[in-house]
Amino acid sequence: SQQGEEDPQALSIQEGENATMNCSYKTSINNLQWYRQNSGRGLVHLILIRSNEREKHSGRLRVTLDTSKKSSSLLITASRAADTASYFCATVATDSWGKLQFGAGTQVVVTP
Amino acid sequence: DVKVTQSSRYLVKRTGEKVFLECVQDMDHENMFWYRQDPGLGLRLIYFSYDVKMKEKGDIPEGYSVSREKKERFSLILESASTNQTSMYLCASTRGLAGVGGELFFGEGSRLTVL
Repeated sequence: SQQGEEDPQALSIQEGENATMNCSYKTSINNLQWYRQNSGRGLVHLILIRSNEREKHSGRLRVTLDTSKKSSSLLITASRAADTASYFCATVATDSWGKLQFGAGTQVVVTP
Repeated sequence: DVKVTQSSRYLVKRTGEKVFLECVQDMDHENMFWYRQDPGLGLRLIYFSYDVKMKEKGDIPEGYSVSREKKERFSLILESASTNQTSMYLCASTRGLAGVGGELFFGEGSRLTVL
């Protein structure tokens, strides 16, 4: 079963705008990770936020985590056409050792 | 540069055929994973392995088996392929436990079509 679910399923924005996507999950977690997938390729790790962290930054990426609401958000600032990809959140439930589970992803299209 | 290599990017097989999907990593990672990816369903874990000759079932192991004879190689086997196994298969590896800080490194994927 899917642990994380992303929202929205698809997002279309113009270059320079910010893109925000959300992830909700069901059970207690150790950490939450975000991955990116270009069309037809494998996934690439973007950022990891631990359950005791509330916010984390990496370049143009900002991730927040609210464990009380079991949700996370990924913000991409000043988007570029090269940010066009699908974005997935992934979690491991505290009682599911080693099993990183992914949501269905948010497909982001950035038009020049 | 770290690398996870999947032997075939595209395969076309017939129903009932035995299919081997090979994955090799060069990072000396202990843990390796096989996922399948289908539109609208995201990635679903088929099997994972935390050591040589060790394996654990994921969420959808039915119809699949795996082999980990060497640390760097993790194979996914479809004993008798069926059309509902048409999918993108992704292999991944990580050094640490995925849940406690080990980011996954993915291969490029193997797109399997079963006719």
